[in-house]
Amino acid sequence: TQLLEQSPQFLSIQEGENLTVYCNSSSVFSSLQWYRQEPGEGPVLLVTVVTGGEVKKLKRLTFQFGDARKDSSLHITAAQPGDTGLYLCAGVWGNDMRFGAGTRLTVKP
Amino acid sequence: KAGVTQTPRYLIKTRGQQVTLSCSPISGHRSVSWYQQTPGQGLQFLFEYFSETQRNKGNFPGRFSGRQFSNSRSEMNVSTLELGDSALYLCASSLALGQNYGYTFGSGTRLTVV
Repeated sequence: TQLLEQSPQFLSIQEGENLTVYCNSSSVFSSLQWYRQEPGEGPVLLVTVVTGGEVKKLKRLTFQFGDARKDSSLHITAAQPGDTGLYLCAGVWGNDMRFGAGTRLTVKP
Repeated sequence: KAGVTQTPRYLIKTRGQQVTLSCSPISGHRSVSWYQQTPGQGLQFLFEYFSETQRNKGNFPGRFSGRQFSNSRSEMNVSTLELGDSALYLCASSLALGQNYGYTFGSGTRLTVV
């Protein structure tokens, strides 16, 4: 059983479209991290959110942490083929950290 | 600065053998964690080392072990390999203990057990 549920599991869109992926849990996180992983490589940290309701922007990516610190979303504006990859969220509870199963995004040119 | 270096990148082993994987963290990073990634289970935490001591351990059998050296480099060992051990093994380093700092991952070692 995954402590973190990510949805959708797969997403295939055309270049220029917008999208949102979600990360949900029944537990309260002390912080949450988002990573992107490309084939044959390790995950790369995109952002860490700590405060409930926090919003962080990284170019065309917008990350939001839920007010209750149980969920998070990642919104990508005007997706590009270079955004293709596996997007993983990781929740931290004290010294424990767990990854979700990920959303596999494909952006077609 | 150099990233997290894992060696070897690819490995093929036979059932029953043992294997040792190596990880060199980013200079100055003292925490090293290991993860197993498979298509079915995703990223599963193995263990975390800090200052040569194992600080946290996931739910893996005792065949999986690790250690950290005084220069923060780490190795993990899997004994009596099983087909189900085939996976991408990822090492991640962090400035300090505690995952709130975020990880820097290596490119992984792809282990295939035949």
